[in-house]
Amino acid sequence: SYVLTQPPSVSVAPGQTARITCGGIHIGSKTVHWYQQKPGQAPVVVIYYDSDRPSGSPERFSGSNSGNTATLTLSGVEAGDEADYYCQLWDDSSAHWVFGGGTKLTVL
Amino acid sequence: QVQLQESGPGLVKPPETLSLTCTVSGGSVSSGTYYWSWVRQPPGKGLEWIGCVSYSGSTTYNPSLKSRVSISADTSKNEFSLKLSSVTAADTAVYYCARVGGQPIGPFDPWGQGALVTVSS
Repeated sequence: SYVLTQPPSVSVAPGQTARITCGGIHIGSKTVHWYQQKPGQAPVVVIYYDSDRPSGSPERFSGSNSGNTATLTLSGVEAGDEADYYCQLWDDSSAHWVFGGGTKLTVL
Repeated sequence: QVQLQESGPGLVKPPETLSLTCTVSGGSVSSGTYYWSWVRQPPGKGLEWIGCVSYSGSTTYNPSLKSRVSISADTSKNEFSLKLSSVTAADTAVYYCARVGGQPIGPFDPWGQGALVTVSS
């Protein structure tokens, strides 16, 4: 089955840029979505279709996907961005949905 | 605006069957090209896709759970359900229902608020 690999944690100072990666074989040929989950809450999609932002998602959030790595970039990080972030895709070869293991973003 | 709400027992004894229902409002489980899914999250851990039922009634399951899982939709009640048999403590988790939008490659959106199910005797 397809595996998505995320770093367990990323730390960044307020106002800096955080990059959260999601690794997978030829992931650039697949469509990746990113979710933010704050404690006690359900996940919320913050980037879909690799790089599109749903309404309500801050303009500071952006996404890219190429080769074997998809990346969620948070520019000008704020304290309120502290959360767990998950990547996710549909693996057409197995016809299954897959989530990455999640990355805890800490704002220092 | 589509909203999803999970319901069901919060405590299940091993090795009984866990049963949850997701009620859909603001949309229909039988319309469009959506997939209605279940995702779970053990305490302190990440998200795990369990399975889904499509707008046409077809199902697909996570291979790691396939032997114990059944998902079905009731169009008359506009809801879909999860059954997980032979549960153990490892099945303790928050269970979310969610819609996959438009096509299989679409995002999980929206999500229900989640239902904590504890497996304990």
